[in-house]
Amino acid sequence: EPEVTQTPSHQVTQMGQEVILRCVPISNHLYFYWYRQILGQKVEFLVSFYNNEISEKSEIFDDQFSVERPDGSNFTLKIRSTKLEDSAMYFCASSGTSGGEETQYFGPGTRLLVL
Amino acid sequence: AQTVTQSQPEMSVQEAETVTLSCTYDTSESDYYLFWYKQPPSRQMILVIRQEAYKQQNATENRFSVNFQKAAKSFSLKISDSQLGDAAMYFCASIPRGSQGNLIFGKGTKLSVKP
Repeated sequence: EPEVTQTPSHQVTQMGQEVILRCVPISNHLYFYWYRQILGQKVEFLVSFYNNEISEKSEIFDDQFSVERPDGSNFTLKIRSTKLEDSAMYFCASSGTSGGEETQYFGPGTRLLVL
Repeated sequence: AQTVTQSQPEMSVQEAETVTLSCTYDTSESDYYLFWYKQPPSRQMILVIRQEAYKQQNATENRFSVNFQKAAKSFSLKISDSQLGDAAMYFCASIPRGSQGNLIFGKGTKLSVKP
């Protein structure tokens, strides 16, 4: 069964450093998303992406964040200058051809720790 | 704006018994979708069940079923014949029809299954 994959599974970085989180969505999906979950809290939407541009973004997704689909398979989230409060689990998700209302399938997450 | 509320931070069930997890939501949308996701200790988000608000029939997926009360804006999850592998965090989520992907999550219910 096709699934969303994410790399790395864990990343530790120093405050102020740039990090890139990578995702490979399900191959025939057209809509891609990033969510984050701070430990012990609920999952929060960051951004959605379709047709090579951002469809929607939350207040969390400020200028420090960017997303890119550099090729036909990868979808990346970049945090330019990490802060302590960026420590969280970051989930990538994808959905099919009809839009965000379709079921979103999540990857296993990347656990980011900012020191 | 949509909100999702899960009023039970923790629940416990005996193996082979039935448990119901509560979820209420608030939305001004006339059409939307509701989901239950399971997050085991590995922290991967796994889809359990999906309900389309325009369908009156409650969704069922093997041992998992929902009680969808549209007028009351209630969407509870029933797990029958509970198994040890059902132990996890369960998140209720909603999304308006036509959305670009902003799934709104509740805070989650931690389910323990006793052998």
